Order: sequence, then C-alpha cells, then structure tokens
Amino acid sequence: DAGVIQSPRHEVTEMGQEVTLRCKPISGHNSLFWYRQTMMRGLELLIYFNNNVPIDDSGMPEDRFSAKMPNASFSTLKIQPSEPRDSAVYFCASRSSGRALGNEQFFGPGTRLTVL
Amino acid sequence: QKEVEQNSGPLSVPEGAIASLNCTYSDRGSQSFFWYRQYSGKSPELIMFIYSNGDKEDGRFTAQLNKASQYVSLLIRDSQPSDSATYLCAASNFGNEKLTFGTGTRLTIIP
Repeated sequence: DAGVIQSPRHEVTEMGQEVTLRCKPISGHNSLFWYRQTMMRGLELLIYFNNNVPIDDSGMPEDRFSAKMPNASFSTLKIQPSEPRDSAVYFCASRSSGRALGNEQFFGPGTRLTVL
Repeated sequence: QKEVEQNSGPLSVPEGAIASLNCTYSDRGSQSFFWYRQYSGKSPELIMFIYSNGDKEDGRFTAQLNKASQYVSLLIRDSQPSDSATYLCAASNFGNEKLTFGTGTRLTIIP
C-alpha cells in the first residue's frame, strides 16, 4: 500500500510567487495534517483536517497561507505571496482517526521549499 | 516556553551502550506520548508511544512515563550506528488528534 504522497519534492521559487504544495493521504485515513519543519522552530503543526473539514488552523502563520481538502484523497497548501522566511520542509501526515490513544500519524516524504 | 522540551544535543554514545533521551512537557492535560525517529533528510517515523505511567518495552527500545514529574524518556539498549538520528518527542491530549512536538535530540552512535 502506498504511503502518504507529496509533490513536488523540491520547489525553488522567487519571493512574491505563489507556491502550491500537494498531498495524497493514505487510503482510508480520514485525518490529514500539514507541518512545517525548520532548524530554529522544529516541527510545527500548521493545520489539520478531519473528514475533509479543517479542525484547527491556529498554526497557520498568516493570511498568506491557505489550505484546502476538497476530497478524502487530496489536499493542498498554498502560500501567496511567498517570502524567504517561508523556506522550510513541509510535511503532510495522515492518520486513521478515532479515540485510540496510540493512533500513529504517518508522514509523507516532505517538500523542501526554498524561496529566494 | 515550549509545551514539549528536549535537549537538542548532540548526544554521543558509544556503540553497544545505552542511549537515554529525555523530554518534559508542560500541559498536564497531555495523555499520550510519542517517540519519532528522523534520519537526516527523511520524514519522521514512529518508534513507540506510551500513555500509562511506567515503562513500555519494544525490542531494544524502552519508553518511560512519569506523569507526576511530566517527564518522558526513551532508552535505546545496545546502541547501533543505525540508531544515529534525531529523536522527536510528541504529546497529545485525549480525544485531540493534534501532536505537539519537541525540537528533537540529535543522537550519534560512535562505532
């Protein structure tokens, strides 16, 4: 079974450009998470969805960031306009939700974003 | 103050010795705790989770939880060079899927 799929794997863009990151969760998982990882701040949760509905977007840094999940098998994270401080690795993770205490989040390979 | 704190390291341990990784958390509502391993340039992968006070063993790995002290640890016995990675501690509240991660401890096993 395929794991979480993210695209692109690497993105280099110039300041001011729009960036769209894509994620396909594991089939059957109904929770999806977007994280950003930097050396300074570590792994930070940006937003997560349950059954395609955004549940918590308190980690989204500012209005330049937006995320959508139009269906159970696809999500996007958009940055418009991008800035150099957005440079980071962006991970998508998915999980089979429920009340089980140990339900694991499975991470995708990440997208390394560089904004020049 | 971050909700989940870890010593960033680097922590160097001789091959075959026990590596001890520590984590503290500030939210007393935290119920479940997770240890993820992340190799350089790769994504995090789950090693263990624990939600009851005490020890939980899985092969060479032992997770320890002390809720009174708000302290979680991971012990790696018979350390191998392949254990060299960054170890991330994470916490979640019951019924809340959100994980709060520490910044990670970089572990190096010296052959």
